[in-house]
Formats: sequence, structure tokens, C-alpha cells
Amino acid sequence: DSGVTQTPKHLITATGQRVTLRCSPRSGDLSVYWYQQSLDQGLQFLIQYYNGEERAKGNILERFSAQQFPDLHSELNLSSLELGDSALYFCASSVVLDSQAFFGQGTRLTVV
Amino acid sequence: EDQVTQSPEALRLQEGESSSLNCSYTVSGLRGLFWYRQDPGKGPEFLFTLYSAGEEKEKERLKATLTKKESFLHITAPKPEDSATYLCAVEGGADGLTFGKGTHLIIQP
Repeated sequence: DSGVTQTPKHLITATGQRVTLRCSPRSGDLSVYWYQQSLDQGLQFLIQYYNGEERAKGNILERFSAQQFPDLHSELNLSSLELGDSALYFCASSVVLDSQAFFGQGTRLTVV
Repeated sequence: EDQVTQSPEALRLQEGESSSLNCSYTVSGLRGLFWYRQDPGKGPEFLFTLYSAGEEKEKERLKATLTKKESFLHITAPKPEDSATYLCAVEGGADGLTFGKGTHLIIQP
């Protein structure tokens, strides 16, 4: 158990809908990362937050947004969902910037 | 743009048969190279961080090494429980970790 908690574990939704994925980082970790993993693309970095502030952006679509709250948990919002958004979404956390990241168990999103 | 290429894509070994996995990378200013293990449907599990060429790290049957252009993950006398996908990632000029597509390792009893 990495100490990073993601909910829900599974999510099935229809095209055009909006969903919210939640992540609780390890106790004491200030940095949260979101990654998308699909079969053909591997793990792709989406966005990083550090102590409530957006720190870096990767290949995140404009339909996706995220935030980190004062208690350091983070949410990833996915809207106007398309079939191609079906993937595993992972949250990871680290103590400070550029240190080793610990991953949660992921949320499997299926868009039908 | 940071790039990571892992080879082979898949590897099947007999129990006890040692081998090496390769991770080739191009990065502008390497801040760290990471190895993770991922089991099906689970999140990546951290194994090692390497920071500079010549560095080596060991953990049980695994040993990671780093040169200026590639890293190797050596598996000595593997057991069936070592079966997993092994991911290599770099932290460099790009934001966040850049991952390779992984090596799917199967150890047969």
C-alpha cells in the first residue's frame, strides 16, 4: 500500500458526461501528480500541483481540469467525455518537488 | 522533448534465468531516472531512483545501473513473483515524469 488513495476505483459513464476523480496523497506529501494510462500511449503526465498551486502541465486536454485543496487532496475533473478518454487515471504524490513519487491504485474510467 | 524507449517490449524467462531490461533515454538535463514495477490493474510501485552515470542500486534480485544514455535493470535468478511490467521514467527538461512503454516480464516456473 503506497498510502495514496484514489476514489472511485471504477467509473462507467456515457459520452458527453462529466466526472470527478479524487486523490488523497500520502500524509505529509505536498506535491500531487495526475497521469493517464491507456494501452497504446503508456503513462502520460497530465498536471502537477504543489501545496495548492498548479506547478506544471503536461498533455492535459482543455476539457480536463484539476485542483488541489487546502487539505492537500486533489480532484481531476473530466468533462464532455469521449470514448477515447477511457483509460486508467493515476494520482501520485511526493514530499517535495522532484522527489520520488508514490502512485495510487488508479481509477479505471470507461466511457460508453 | 524527453524520450524514453524500453526494450524488449516483452520477455519470457524460466525461473532462475537471469537477464537484463534496457531503458534508453534522451533528456535535456537529467534530474533523475526512475524504475517502477506495475502489476495488472495496479498503480506503479517505486523501485529505484538513479541520479548520475555510474550509479547502481540493488534490491533483492534487482539491480539498476545508469550510463549517460541508458539504464539497465538486471534481474538475477528471477522467481515467478517477479512477473510484472517494469517501467522506466526520466525527470528532465519536460514537466513531470516521462515514462517508457514498459517491458512485460513473465517468469515461468
